[in-house]
Amino acid sequence: EVQLLESGGGLVQPGGSLRLSCAASGFSFRTFALSWVRQAPGKGLEWVSAINYNGQSRYYSDSVKGRFTVSRDNLKDTLYLQMNSLTAEDTAVYYCAKGNQASGAEDYFAYWGQGTLVTVSS
Amino acid sequence: SYELTQPPSVSVSPGQTARITCSGDALPKQYSYWYQQKAGQAPVLVIYKDSERPSGIPERISGSSSGTTATLTISGVQAEDEADYYCQSADSTGKYNYVFGNGTQLIVL
Repeated sequence: EVQLLESGGGLVQPGGSLRLSCAASGFSFRTFALSWVRQAPGKGLEWVSAINYNGQSRYYSDSVKGRFTVSRDNLKDTLYLQMNSLTAEDTAVYYCAKGNQASGAEDYFAYWGQGTLVTVSS
Repeated sequence: SYELTQPPSVSVSPGQTARITCSGDALPKQYSYWYQQKAGQAPVLVIYKDSERPSGIPERISGSSSGTTATLTISGVQAEDEADYYCQSADSTGKYNYVFGNGTQLIVL
């Protein structure tokens, strides 16, 4: 059974940093792309970032480019999202999602974690 | 940027058919995907590649795409179908590869 478990969310001040983790199990982690998708309170889904199977290709939305960095550890079956220069607009539930392909360039998500809440506030 | 447009809400009575549309200029060339999200839960994929249904999704949920509009159809709507539904696709330039629609709230009367 595919499982994705996010952690690392919490309250952070504007301008601060946070690192999210997503521990995966139940599939061959090293052969699939993964993404982060967020959802602000009461709002819709917004794709944030994707990384291909070996970590060599990374993709970002315009809203986080230059501030967020996605990475993965294929030995630990874990996905990460380093978030810097956070603003109130980054407040959201962040979901880890498993892609259906290796590339990460374009994909859809058959499996999602339960999400971790990031709140940016002073 | 590239946008996928959905109606904010669709209301149907139990047993009727609900149709949720998703409009986007690149849909003639790109697949559409649909997710169901119930309150307080993570999204669930219900349709992929326009009309394919993942295992475990009931047959009364179906998808289609024609021209610039993709449609999610739920036949014989049940109370348990009340949720937010999101379409997902990509633009045709390769610049915006992950785009979600604004979401549609399905209200079961």
